[in-house]
Amino acid sequence: GAVVSQHPSWVICKSGTSVKIECRSLDFQATTMFWYRQFPKQSLMLMATSNEGSKATYEQGVEKDKFLINHASLTLSTLTVTSAHPEDSSFYICSAPPGGSIYEQYFGPGTRLTVT
Amino acid sequence: SQKIEQNSEALNIQEGKTATLTCNYTNYSPAYLQWYRQDPGRGPVFLLLIRENEKEKRKERLKVTFDTTLKQSLFHITASQPADSATYLCALEGTGNQFYFGTGTSLTVIP
Repeated sequence: GAVVSQHPSWVICKSGTSVKIECRSLDFQATTMFWYRQFPKQSLMLMATSNEGSKATYEQGVEKDKFLINHASLTLSTLTVTSAHPEDSSFYICSAPPGGSIYEQYFGPGTRLTVT
Repeated sequence: SQKIEQNSEALNIQEGKTATLTCNYTNYSPAYLQWYRQDPGRGPVFLLLIRENEKEKRKERLKVTFDTTLKQSLFHITASQPADSATYLCALEGTGNQFYFGTGTSLTVIP
């Protein structure tokens, strides 16, 4: 099946610094990828839709200047958390539909971000 | 506003029994509904998709129903096994090709 990877799997950073998380589709091309955030014992909250070659579409309440998304190629999307604060600590997960279909989402393994 | 709710935070059942999980939604008219399994510290894994014109879909021990009148989907795992223990999420299609997830139900199958 389709494989989506994320890097790093976990990261600890100091408050005020920026962190970049990569999401790669390993065996298929993805013109669209999705970024989610998940707090402990809560469901996935969609943050934004990453579109290859164009600007990301952010969900209501998500600060686009804080969560920078770049989808520079058909296999790579990056999420940069700028000026991170402890409340940004969460599990960040990306997903991609293989073959351009929206009907199945393949998820990455997630990135655990801890801001101290 | 749109809301997707799944039944009770945790469901415990005996091995071999059928687990039934519920997904209710309001202020939505999705054309598709998906179910995922998520293990702790991992990304969700796609299980099944059902379309609005399909009443029922099966895959091995899994069965999903979709009642657009009741705005409800039921997810059944028959002959449950301890390995089925996980959190199960329903997801509904939004207006822009994205999916929104329900609150999730944690299932524990007791040997």
